Amino acid sequence: KQEVTQIPAALSVPEGENLVLNCSFTDSAIYNLQWFRQDPGKGLTSLLLIQSSQREQTSGRLNASLDKSSGRSTLYIAASQPGDSATYLCAVRVAGGTSYGKLTFGQGTILTVHP
Amino acid sequence: EAGVAQSPRYKIIEKRQSVAFWCNPISGHATLYWYQQILGQGPKLLIQFQNNGVVDDSQLPKDRFSAERLKGVDSTLKIQPAKLEDSAVYLCASSSQGAAGYGYTFGSGTRLTVV
Repeated sequence: KQEVTQIPAALSVPEGENLVLNCSFTDSAIYNLQWFRQDPGKGLTSLLLIQSSQREQTSGRLNASLDKSSGRSTLYIAASQPGDSATYLCAVRVAGGTSYGKLTFGQGTILTVHP
Repeated sequence: EAGVAQSPRYKIIEKRQSVAFWCNPISGHATLYWYQQILGQGPKLLIQFQNNGVVDDSQLPKDRFSAERLKGVDSTLKIQPAKLEDSAVYLCASSSQGAAGYGYTFGSGTRLTVV
């Protein structure tokens, strides 16, 4: 059974800092890994999607890496801003089987960037 | 392209009452998912549809939850009777099977409070 863990559970940083969010998963048989952002009371916004054959993806100040063999992914946020404050969720997509397409989520990291 | 539409946004009901949620996925997306997100946790898959057929409903509490997808487009999720522990955000998502890598798009969710 796939399990996804995110560390830390919460993070508070001053504006301008570079930061790293961690995600680990127990079964390396994944199709892809996706990072989402969730604002309070809102749905999920996809930030980055990394295919199992890729090592990293970048979008603006965000960079996500994937090491499938070790079951780890990191989300790097450069020059953090108060608008980055949200919950960040990592999810892996199962490869094959009857649960094909299913996303398994971590519990999220609550990020607060203060001015 | 229009996003995934969900309604209502909020619902408060008493325990043992029934409630229904509606989802309209992105046009052309064959796969539709319902997730349950309890406060402080990551979303958990309840049911997955491929067109109008069920692919995975292993985590759906079938004694009280039911879901259908009419004509492979819109979907409804029903709870009858509701329990206090059903208080959560119910998220609908859809995905295509194109070359973009099976990325997900989530709706804004329905926040259910059972009192």
